[in-house]
Amino acid sequence: SSELTQDPAVSVVLGQTVRITCQGDSLRSYYATWYRQKPGQAPVFVLYGKDKRPSGIPDRFSGSYSGDTTSLTIIGAQAEDEADYYCKSRDSSGNEFVFGGGTRLTVL
Amino acid sequence: EVELVESGGALVQPGGSLRVSCAASGFIFSDHYMDWVRQAPGKGLEWVGRIKHKYNSYHTEYDASVRGRFIISRDDSTNSVYLQMNNLKSADTAIYYCAREHSGDDAFDAWGQGTLVAVSS
Repeated sequence: SSELTQDPAVSVVLGQTVRITCQGDSLRSYYATWYRQKPGQAPVFVLYGKDKRPSGIPDRFSGSYSGDTTSLTIIGAQAEDEADYYCKSRDSSGNEFVFGGGTRLTVL
Repeated sequence: EVELVESGGALVQPGGSLRVSCAASGFIFSDHYMDWVRQAPGKGLEWVGRIKHKYNSYHTEYDASVRGRFIISRDDSTNSVYLQMNNLKSADTAIYYCAREHSGDDAFDAWGQGTLVAVSS
């Protein structure tokens, strides 16, 4: 079973704000990376480190941490943000990576 | 432009073996850790393992689900990384992606398009 827990599905009204969370003990020690995957495509990283965005990822995406939980927040969600989002971090040993189960974001 | 291209996916019988490859271009391959990630049909992403660069003695790490059956190797002279899969099980059926690790950040900043491995009799 995954050591990182995500809600299976979240929805947001177009233009509104949505938060996708990822919970796990290892997040108290390690940063997470967030990936977005659209149907039939390979994943793309959208947030990493404390709150870093790769080039090409709009600034409506941001990250935050609180205790054992990290969140990806989209302010002003767009239709193109509809996708599956996965968090990834280290496992409890710190030697291996683990993905969360993924959150399907629907933009209404 | 950074590019990763996987190949070698196939239909294999349970208990069989298969090696998939990933050809890299557009960056200094030898400077990066490389990872394999898989995705079973309709399921989420699962980390398979990784190989570090020569500065870390090409050390490998694996998820418990494949440890002892899968072997990751690399050839820096041809900019390639390989995943040797032995004693394959139906649960190994998945798209296998190779990914480049962003130096120092744990992020996978480039992915291939994936290659499908199907394990069935």
